[in-house]
Amino acid sequence: AQSVTQLGSHVSVSEGALVLLRCNYSSSVPPYLFWYVQYPNQGLQLLLKYTTGATLVKGINGFEAEFKKSETSFHLTKPSAHMSDAAEYFCAVTNGGSQGNLIFGKGTKLSVKP
Amino acid sequence: DGGITQSPKYLFRKEGQNVTLSCEQNLNHDAMYWYRQDPGQGLRLIYYSQIVNDFQKGDIAEGYSVSREKKESFPLTVTSAQKNPTAFYLCASSQPGQLSYEQYFGPGTRLTVT
Repeated sequence: AQSVTQLGSHVSVSEGALVLLRCNYSSSVPPYLFWYVQYPNQGLQLLLKYTTGATLVKGINGFEAEFKKSETSFHLTKPSAHMSDAAEYFCAVTNGGSQGNLIFGKGTKLSVKP
Repeated sequence: DGGITQSPKYLFRKEGQNVTLSCEQNLNHDAMYWYRQDPGQGLRLIYYSQIVNDFQKGDIAEGYSVSREKKESFPLTVTSAQKNPTAFYLCASSQPGQLSYEQYFGPGTRLTVT
């Protein structure tokens, strides 16, 4: 069965500092991996995704993530945090197939201090 | 503009009443999903539908019902049997099987039952 673990339910960084949000997954077949962002009282917006090919994936708002099969990880990074990055971030996995249901992590709330 | 609409944004009901949440999409997607979101618990799948007139239970279907009479519409009814219905409800759609599997989310409905 697939699963997703996001380490740290809350992460706090200073404006301009590196953002690192951790995601580890469990999947018996090559996974498709996603990061979503959610601002308060809104739906989820796709930040980036990994399907096949290049393991370093660039997304919107300066975020990127690297798929590391040997570590079963898909950590999200951004070199320099901005106040507008404060939100909740969700990692998700699917193994594709005809259904392709996503399994979500419990989320990491990112705070950015001025 | 293509997307998913959910209405209303906020909904208040008395205990013991059934309530129906609306979800409409104009993305021409085959698959639609309902999730429940509670603080610290991530997204939990309630029901999903891969095609018109067919739907399957997700992880927490008890106390909920759905219908899929039209491709663009997937309403969710929260029945009086749902023991703890107060939550944020998210609808999503996708077109699985195209090496993508990403889901597109609506803005959500916050349901409060007292």
